[in-house]
Amino acid sequence: AQSVTQLDSQVPVFEEAPVELRCNYSSSVSVYLFWYVQYPNQGLQLLLKYLSGSTLVKGINGFEAEFNKSQTSFHLRKPSVHISDTAEYFCAVHRSSSNTGKLIFGQGTTLQVKP
Amino acid sequence: SQTIHQWPATLVQPVGSPLSLECTVEGTSNPNLYWYRQAAGRGLQLLFYSVGIGQISSEVPQNLSASRPQDRQFILSSKKLLLSDSGFYLCAWNLDHNEQFFGPGTRLTVL
Repeated sequence: AQSVTQLDSQVPVFEEAPVELRCNYSSSVSVYLFWYVQYPNQGLQLLLKYLSGSTLVKGINGFEAEFNKSQTSFHLRKPSVHISDTAEYFCAVHRSSSNTGKLIFGQGTTLQVKP
Repeated sequence: SQTIHQWPATLVQPVGSPLSLECTVEGTSNPNLYWYRQAAGRGLQLLFYSVGIGQISSEVPQNLSASRPQDRQFILSSKKLLLSDSGFYLCAWNLDHNEQFFGPGTRLTVL
């Protein structure tokens, strides 16, 4: 079975500083990987996804993530954060051979950007 | 383009009362549909998913149920709400292996 671990429950950072949100997964089969963002009292919005190909994936709002198969990681990065990036971030994994489309989510990381 | 609707947006219900939350998707056919719950300060818990009309899979035992009476309609129900049913309920859809698209959510408070 797959599982996802987001190593930090909260990440405080000052505005314009770089940030990395960590995500590790465990799976014995190939997977697809996703990062979602959730603003307060809203649904989740896709930031980026890795299905195949280049291991460096660029997403919306200046975020990027790198798939590292040997370390089973998919860390999210942004070189300079804004106040508006304050939100909850979720990493998710999907077994590529599955026909149900089910995602396994991590517990989330709260990014708090301070002025 | 595709859109997903959930209603109501917020709901306050007494313990023991029934529940019906509705989710509809527009602009696509035969989507996979999902119900999630977020308790305060916690991640997403998958409650039910459906790969077709009348096909419901339950992920966790509880006093909730789901139905899919039409291709793009997914309903979450309960006969008697518990305090522990409070939370933020999210509906989502996808096709095959693509990412899931989420609705705006329903905030349920059980008093």
